[in-house]
Amino acid sequence: AQTVTQSQPEMSVQEAETVTLSCTYDTSENNYYLFWYKQPPSRQMILVIRQEAYKQQNATENRFSVNFQKAAKSFSLKISDSQLGDTAMYFCAFIPSYNTDKLIFGTGTRLQVFP
Amino acid sequence: EAQVTQNPRYLITVTGKKLTVTCSQNMNHEYMSWYRQDPGLGLRQIYYSMNVEVTDKGDVPEGYKVSRKEKRNFPLILESPSPNQTSLYFCASRDVLAGGPTDTQYFGPGTRLTVL
Repeated sequence: AQTVTQSQPEMSVQEAETVTLSCTYDTSENNYYLFWYKQPPSRQMILVIRQEAYKQQNATENRFSVNFQKAAKSFSLKISDSQLGDTAMYFCAFIPSYNTDKLIFGTGTRLQVFP
Repeated sequence: EAQVTQNPRYLITVTGKKLTVTCSQNMNHEYMSWYRQDPGLGLRQIYYSMNVEVTDKGDVPEGYKVSRKEKRNFPLILESPSPNQTSLYFCASRDVLAGGPTDTQYFGPGTRLTVL
């Protein structure tokens, strides 16, 4: 079965510090997409970062970066210089192949950034 | 403004009373999906559509119907709602380019449904 596991239900970090959110997934496919989504209290789903499985280079978007380990099926999110506005639920997700819109989500990690 | 709209945003209904949640996108996207979000379970895909008249089941399709008669609209139909369908529902859409689906999935604002 294709699944996504986020083993940290809740995390907290002090403003300006760095935090890493964990994600592992399971698939037998070789080509797929990986994503991190942010859901603030407004409930809006916001794409934070994405990674194509065939690319070895880790994706970065400003303060957000990933550590993609394909062999280990791991896709962690690092948030540097954490800001109060980063407080949200974070979901790891993946599309298991190129020819589907089947998007599989993890159960989420609630991140609290405190001053 | 590129957006996905859902209506209604909030709905309280009773068991067995048929309802439809509408979803519309103005970006001419080919792919559209419906998800439900429940505490501790994340988002689970209900149905998705890769083009007009093409729909497929996601992970939790039981009790739901969809249709895709026009590219912009993808309504979610609950023929006989039950309390276990109380949830937060999201519609989403994304484009398809020559190289495959794009990465950016646009989500609607969500519909909070309560079935009594």
